[in-house]
Amino acid sequence: DQQVKQNSPSLSVQEGRISILNCDYTNSMFDYFLWYKKYPAEGPTFLISISSIKDKNEDGRFTVFLNKSAKHLSLHIVPSQPGDSAVYFCAASFHYGGSQGNLIFGKGTKLSVKP
Amino acid sequence: EAGVTQSPTHLIKTRGQQATLRCSPISGHTSVYWYQQALGLGLQFLLWYDEGEERNRGNFPPRFSGRQFPNYSSELNVNALELEDSALYLCASSFSEKMGRINEKLFFGSGTQLSVL
Repeated sequence: DQQVKQNSPSLSVQEGRISILNCDYTNSMFDYFLWYKKYPAEGPTFLISISSIKDKNEDGRFTVFLNKSAKHLSLHIVPSQPGDSAVYFCAASFHYGGSQGNLIFGKGTKLSVKP
Repeated sequence: EAGVTQSPTHLIKTRGQQATLRCSPISGHTSVYWYQQALGLGLQFLLWYDEGEERNRGNFPPRFSGRQFPNYSSELNVNALELEDSALYLCASSFSEKMGRINEKLFFGSGTQLSVL
């Protein structure tokens, strides 16, 4: 049973345009969400996060939106750059009842930004 | 500041053998996490160690085990290797939650690619 789902395995976007990566989750107890970026032959690196008490968090070109009622979050990259080409993982965690100490990841979406 | 380091980078074993993977966390981090990324799958949580103790484990059989040493480095052992154990094994570290810091922001190493033939 996959609790965090990224239904698009890949996404191709033109340089300068907006990239929108989507993520759905099933466990309403999740209270913290993160996006990680992974280049080939490297470990994932933290990109941006959002607490469940917020519906938006922005960091430069990256914005994460959270829709709790729909159990959906999205990552917007504006404008997209060729260096953004990577696999993006959505992750979730929850602290209710004590931290489980682990993040639950989606399968990832491979973003390709074309020059 | 050195990041999370993992060794070896690649490991080739045959079925039934044992594999040992090593991880050194970022200085100051006391929590170490192990994840498995099999081909086509996301990162699957394996184990979490904090302050030398196992805090949580994922849905993996007991032949996946590990430990954390007094210097907070960690070792993952996989016994009786099976073909489906072939995967990228990622280690991550963070500050301990007991220090009042949010530990969800994990810092990952580059991983060990384990191939079981």
